[in-house]
Amino acid sequence: DAKTTQPPSMDCAEGRAANLPCNHSTISGNEYVYWYRQIHSQGPQYIIHGLKNNETNEMASLIITEDRKSSTLILPHATLRDTAVYYCIVRAPGNQFYFGTGTSLTVIP
Amino acid sequence: DARVTQTPRHKVTEMGQEVTMRCQPILGHNTVFWYRQTMMQGLELLAYFRNRAPLDDSGMPKDRFSAEMPDATLATLKIQPSEPRDSAVYFCASGLVPSGGARYNEQFFGPGTRLTVL
Repeated sequence: DAKTTQPPSMDCAEGRAANLPCNHSTISGNEYVYWYRQIHSQGPQYIIHGLKNNETNEMASLIITEDRKSSTLILPHATLRDTAVYYCIVRAPGNQFYFGTGTSLTVIP
Repeated sequence: DARVTQTPRHKVTEMGQEVTMRCQPILGHNTVFWYRQTMMQGLELLAYFRNRAPLDDSGMPKDRFSAEMPDATLATLKIQPSEPRDSAVYFCASGLVPSGGARYNEQFFGPGTRLTVL
């Protein structure tokens, strides 16, 4: 069962930062937060993950609140190719990923 | 560029027929996952394996679905007999869990098999 809640959809202007929120109020102390995205009908693609500290890579930044009950994925300069469904996932024991419904991000020219 | 491969990419079959989907995980990965995606249910975890042993298949309908890993380079998902409600995209993913049991890992997804059961 998904342990995260996300808004079903968001729009973002091309070139602007896209901030995608996620609530995971029941997260355990040793569970990581992962973000994946799925473009059209392709397989989901890993973006970033974190435990406590904020993380940044070439694709995005992940901001995790101090109480770890929520996080935000930031795409600093959204492009049209970032239009996708973004999944916030809390990793359950045993390595299962439960994807939930995700946020459909539309980047607008 | 290591990738998960899945065959066939598309399959159309008639109700009652057996369907076999194959997945080749990334070489060296020790976990394999099967997911099903439909418009109504989204992405559902069906089963997963670690070191070729099934660890959890609770998401899979037992009466008609079966998943196996004959060897480390091949995972199969079979449906017998198939039904129209099985129409979906089936994704395979693989990952590497370090022997130390680190609590994080990335899953690499294949392109999926789009199954249509008429």
